Amino acid sequence: GQQLNQSPQSMFIQEGEDVSMNCTSSSIFNTWLWYKQEPGEGPVLLIALYKAGELTSNGRLTAQFGITRKDSFLNISASIPSDVGIYFCAGPSGGATNKLIFGTGTLLAVQP
Amino acid sequence: NAGVTQTPKFRILKIGQSMTLQCTQDMNHNYMYWYRQDPGMGLKLIYYSVGAGITDKGEVPNGYNVSRSTTEDFPLRLELAAPSQTSVYFCASSYAGGHNEKLFFGSGTQLSVL
Repeated sequence: GQQLNQSPQSMFIQEGEDVSMNCTSSSIFNTWLWYKQEPGEGPVLLIALYKAGELTSNGRLTAQFGITRKDSFLNISASIPSDVGIYFCAGPSGGATNKLIFGTGTLLAVQP
Repeated sequence: NAGVTQTPKFRILKIGQSMTLQCTQDMNHNYMYWYRQDPGMGLKLIYYSVGAGITDKGEVPNGYNVSRSTTEDFPLRLELAAPSQTSVYFCASSYAGGHNEKLFFGSGTQLSVL
């Protein structure tokens, strides 16, 4: 079945540093999504990407839809303590956007 | 505004017991979902529904049942709890139609089966 692999698994950084993480798939996706989960809460959608090569920003967050359509990248600039959480990539299973599959997540910890 | 509400927040079950995890949403979303989250494993889709009276299996449906009698409610039933069902369960909902990939999640139910 389809799988989404995220790297790194975890990151421990200092406040102010930039962060990069990525997500790769064994198959082509036509939509890439990035969600953030804060402790004790459900995930919240950060960015949605719909076209290969697309670069989209949401404040200090920037995500890119890889041109091969098998990967996506998320960057966070000038990290702050409230960036702490687990970041998940997600994509439609079998092309159906009402059936998302999620990656394994990247845990981000920010030291003030 | 409540969004997606899940109850209970925590529950401990003995092996073989049954329970229902409740989920309700007040956004008039047609689509609803149940996911489970195991440590380091991301979220796995258990069941989903595209409208009242319609449900379908996700990736990991074994050991669970669902029903959707109203647009607002989507309960998840565990009939014979097993230790493998120890997990955090998330209910979510989304709009039908365009951009239904924006899921709104509840805050989760942490379930332990001992």
